[in-house]
Amino acid sequence: EVQLVQSGAEVKKPGESLKISCKGSEYSFTTYWIGWVRQMPGKGLEWMGIIYPDDSDTRYSPSFQGQVTISADKSISTAYLQWSSLKASDTAIYYCARSRAGISGTPVDYWGQGTLVTVSS
Amino acid sequence: DIVLTQSPGTLSLSPGERATLSCRASQSVTSSYLAWYQQKPGQAPRLLIYGASSRASGIPDRFSGSGSGTDFTLTISRLEPEDFAVYFCHQYSSSPRTFGQGTKVEIK
Repeated sequence: EVQLVQSGAEVKKPGESLKISCKGSEYSFTTYWIGWVRQMPGKGLEWMGIIYPDDSDTRYSPSFQGQVTISADKSISTAYLQWSSLKASDTAIYYCARSRAGISGTPVDYWGQGTLVTVSS
Repeated sequence: DIVLTQSPGTLSLSPGERATLSCRASQSVTSSYLAWYQQKPGQAPRLLIYGASSRASGIPDRFSGSGSGTDFTLTISRLEPEDFAVYFCHQYSSSPRTFGQGTKVEIK
């Protein structure tokens, strides 16, 4: 069965850096896009961006461009979401999600279990 | 961005009852590129419906989707105990992809 397994919960201080991961298994990792989705406390889901692991083609939602970096290492079937300087407002659950298409045209069909990131002084 | 507004926010029903959930888009969702997901606490969302009305693999036929343009509906014909969860819609017709805020289906 297709699985996206995310790294565990993180507690960080403002200004710290962070990289969370999403490992895909039981499918061809390089033939699907991996997207990242944010869910702030008590709020809805927000699309952050998406990457094609085969060539690292990355598309960011305008709201998140410059705020985070999405990357992937196809040799270990893992995608990443990273921050260089966290803010308290980055506190949220972050999900990775798989799609056949990057921008549009196919839905997300599998999701990771989510990674809770808490940023607090 | 296409804003998706779901209603109601919470639906209180009993097992065996019919659930009707709405997702309204701020502009037309082309090619009916709209999906529905179910999410239970602490679990990853599960794809139920894509293309507005196509059931994903393994999804029971009590789940059905309909609609086009700006108005979409998810119907659960007879609620089973395992169906009490949060449901959200997602448009993948234009960038950036967006999601509805969710409808919670709770036991009455």
